[in-house]
Amino acid sequence: DTGVSQDPRHKITKRGQNVTFRCDPISEHNRLYWYRQTLGQGPEFLTYFQNEAQLEKSRLLSDRFSAERPKGSFSTLEIQRTEQGDSAMYLCASSPQVLPTDTQYFGPGTRLTVL
Amino acid sequence: AQSVTQLDSQVPVFEEAPVELRCNYSSSVSVYLFWYVQYPNQGLQLLLKYLSGSTLVKGINGFEAEFNKSQTSFHLRKPSVHISDTAEYFCAVINTGGFKTIFGAGTRLFVKA
Repeated sequence: DTGVSQDPRHKITKRGQNVTFRCDPISEHNRLYWYRQTLGQGPEFLTYFQNEAQLEKSRLLSDRFSAERPKGSFSTLEIQRTEQGDSAMYLCASSPQVLPTDTQYFGPGTRLTVL
Repeated sequence: AQSVTQLDSQVPVFEEAPVELRCNYSSSVSVYLFWYVQYPNQGLQLLLKYLSGSTLVKGINGFEAEFNKSQTSFHLRKPSVHISDTAEYFCAVINTGGFKTIFGAGTRLFVKA
């Protein structure tokens, strides 16, 4: 069990550029979650997947955000035309089964800085 | 809609002293309750969770929390803290019909020697 991994760990970009983050969940975990965490706040839910199906998407996500989990394993989160307000830590978590009470295992996060 | 309020943004405490981190929630439906810890430069990890049954829940590292339905609270306690407990602690809820986790803003516990 190598845990949830995220790549890159840090990303600095200029406003208007597109960025893509990757999350590799724990092997055979069915559910995968994305969160955004800004300084001094708790994680905010963005979206989650059950295998390859995206089941819920937060209203916080504008059309500039898209997430995929094409084969039910790793997931990508893309932000198009980045804005300074997108600067945050982006967290990924996975859980093994289908119950909402199953423990979520979090990755170390990707810190995005938009200049 | 659910919301979570962590009443203290920072809690300084001396080593071996007891500590309580306060959490109140608001929800129109039944919820599950969680406490997570985030150590410096590490990902969040689950400390404990309340699903049903006994209102006193024990978690890892000697922490426990008590669910109080009438006060809509889920306070986290530890009778004697260690330097290694210095971290950020997050209270969270999920409504019993969904999968969306709502987190509080966090409480930074700072244990002093």
